[in-house]
Amino acid sequence: DVKVTQSSRYLVKRTGEKVFLECVQDMDHENMFWYRQDPGLGLRLIYFSYDVKMKEKGDIPEGYSVSREKKERFSLILESASTNQTSMYLCASSLSRGGYGYTFGSGTRLTVV
Amino acid sequence: DAKTTQPTSMDCAEGRAANLPCNHSTISGNEYVYWYRQIHSQGPQYIIHGLKNNETNEMASLIITEDRKSSTLILPHATLRDTAVYYCIVRVEDSNYQLIWGAGTKLIIKP
Repeated sequence: DVKVTQSSRYLVKRTGEKVFLECVQDMDHENMFWYRQDPGLGLRLIYFSYDVKMKEKGDIPEGYSVSREKKERFSLILESASTNQTSMYLCASSLSRGGYGYTFGSGTRLTVV
Repeated sequence: DAKTTQPTSMDCAEGRAANLPCNHSTISGNEYVYWYRQIHSQGPQYIIHGLKNNETNEMASLIITEDRKSSTLILPHATLRDTAVYYCIVRVEDSNYQLIWGAGTKLIIKP
């Protein structure tokens, strides 16, 4: 089974801290995605990557950056955490550019205080 | 990408077939229909997708109407573990377009 592993299930950080969320997939997928999920707003795409060292902005990239130095690892960086970035963060990977077969991690619930 | 409309919530008895409808009346010829579900406290899980023919896999069946303006996801023998939010998404298959996630249908399987 494809596995997408997110480094932390729960995280509490202080306002202004630099936060790293790590995501690793083990099936050699080309494509990786970072979403955030908030009640009433659904899943919103932050950034995605179709290749190593490649990144594309999603709908809500402000306040975030990403890094993909290796194919299996896609990191989300909150440059200076703010309380409005308190959310559930979900990483996903897929083999194709189509809409099928996305595999998601279990998510990281980040609280910024 | 075409917009989809799903009921907010549905109930189904355990062991019965769960039929989840989705309307996508503005779907274009090259757009596929995808279904995902999200069990509480987990990431979404891919279920099935199709273009115009009906599809079946080990998880579910997908029935797409002939005019492709609506579809139904069928879970043939629902179990309590099928309680989840089910998302119907329409998009072009091979493109850089992202998946647009709506609110989905909250399916509750009752014992």
